[in-house]
Amino acid sequence: DAGVTQSPTHLIKTRGQQVTLRCSPKSGHDTVSWYQQALGQGPQFIFQYYEEEERQRGNFPDRFSGHQFPNYSSELNVNALLLGDSALYLCASSLATYRAKGEQYFGPGTRLTVT
Amino acid sequence: AQKVTQAQTEISVVEKEDVTLDCVYETRDTTYYLFWYKQPPSGELVFLIRRNSFDEQNEISGRYSWNFQKSTSSFNFTITASQVVDSAVYFCALSDDGAAGSYQLTFGKGTKLSVIP
Repeated sequence: DAGVTQSPTHLIKTRGQQVTLRCSPKSGHDTVSWYQQALGQGPQFIFQYYEEEERQRGNFPDRFSGHQFPNYSSELNVNALLLGDSALYLCASSLATYRAKGEQYFGPGTRLTVT
Repeated sequence: AQKVTQAQTEISVVEKEDVTLDCVYETRDTTYYLFWYKQPPSGELVFLIRRNSFDEQNEISGRYSWNFQKSTSSFNFTITASQVVDSAVYFCALSDDGAAGSYQLTFGKGTKLSVIP
């Protein structure tokens, strides 16, 4: 049973560039959430996708956008990168049913460095 | 707004000692869920436990135990007879019973546990 996978593992970008991160959810899961984890901090919620729509969004600017595909995989796009966007980006998958009660399974993350 | 506070930034213990990680939360919701996650150096967050706000029973799983006290808004995590493999950053998190299936997680800043052999 494959867990949550993310690609790439590491990425180095220059200020002003754009980046796309990818996530495949755990088998059987239909909801994907994205989190940003700065060094030494806890993860912060960016947004969540279900049925190919953004269902909830945290306190992040519009430079952060996403997409969910029919196979439930997801992309996170960040435009006009800033040095402060350097972080570990975590993808989490879950089931959008009440029974799931918020239990989310996390991928290994993508380490983004902006220079 | 929801908030999770983990006042202990770093803790060091000698192997086989017991250690308790503190977590205090704030929420206006009557229904909510509390979680603990473990983040080893590899970076992947590992789910440890979920408790809902209506169930204040303490839980034990092997060397791990959790003490949920609604009166003090705390959800503390104890590791008994710690081992080197327990070395990691531990996060406490909170989610509400919001729109069906949303369950946005709010994390604390984490406690880095170092178990010294």
